[in-house]
Amino acid sequence: QVQLVQSGAEVKKPGASVKVSCKASGYTFTSYDINWVRQATGQGLEWMGWMNPNSGNTGYAQKFQGRVTMTRNTSISTAYMELSSLRSEDTAVYYCARGSTMVQGGGDYWGQGTLVTVSS
Amino acid sequence: SSELTQDPAVSVALGQTVRITCQGDSLRSYYASWYQQKPGQAPVLVIYGKNNRPSGIPDRFSGSSSGNTASLTITGAQAEDEADYYCNSRDSSGNHLYVFGTGTKVTVL
Repeated sequence: QVQLVQSGAEVKKPGASVKVSCKASGYTFTSYDINWVRQATGQGLEWMGWMNPNSGNTGYAQKFQGRVTMTRNTSISTAYMELSSLRSEDTAVYYCARGSTMVQGGGDYWGQGTLVTVSS
Repeated sequence: SSELTQDPAVSVALGQTVRITCQGDSLRSYYASWYQQKPGQAPVLVIYGKNNRPSGIPDRFSGSSSGNTASLTITGAQAEDEADYYCNSRDSSGNHLYVFGTGTKVTVL
């Protein structure tokens, strides 16, 4: 069965960086995009960007341009999302999701979410 | 700010029909996908493409689109349908970028 398993919760200080991983199983990792979406407590879903694990091509929301980097390691079927220059407003649950040509921008399978807390 | 606008909240009587709308310029050219999210859980895809349901999604969920508005309809709402619903589609830049709607809280009375 398809699964996306994310890394555990993180606590970071303002100005630091965080790298969240998303390990895929149950399908061919390079055949589907990975989207990253975040959600602050009590707020809506916010799309951050996408990555094609086959080519490594990425697309980032303008809001995160220059601060976010999405990468992958195909040998271990794992995608990564790194967010730098963290501020308190980046405190949120971060999700990875498996996208496709029919389900772009989101996904038919989602990770369990990773809570990132930014606090001094 | 989101480029896809949804009503913040709607309510529906048990067994009745509710329509959730999503407005945005990009919807004139692209379909919306719809997600259901319950408290403390990851979103679940309920509708994608013109009107497609993933395996396991009840057929009481359906999607449609007209002009700049996409709609998700729940026909015969059940108590378990009480959740937040989000649309998702391309942003208005014309690039390969996406955006979620502002979200609609559905209450089943």
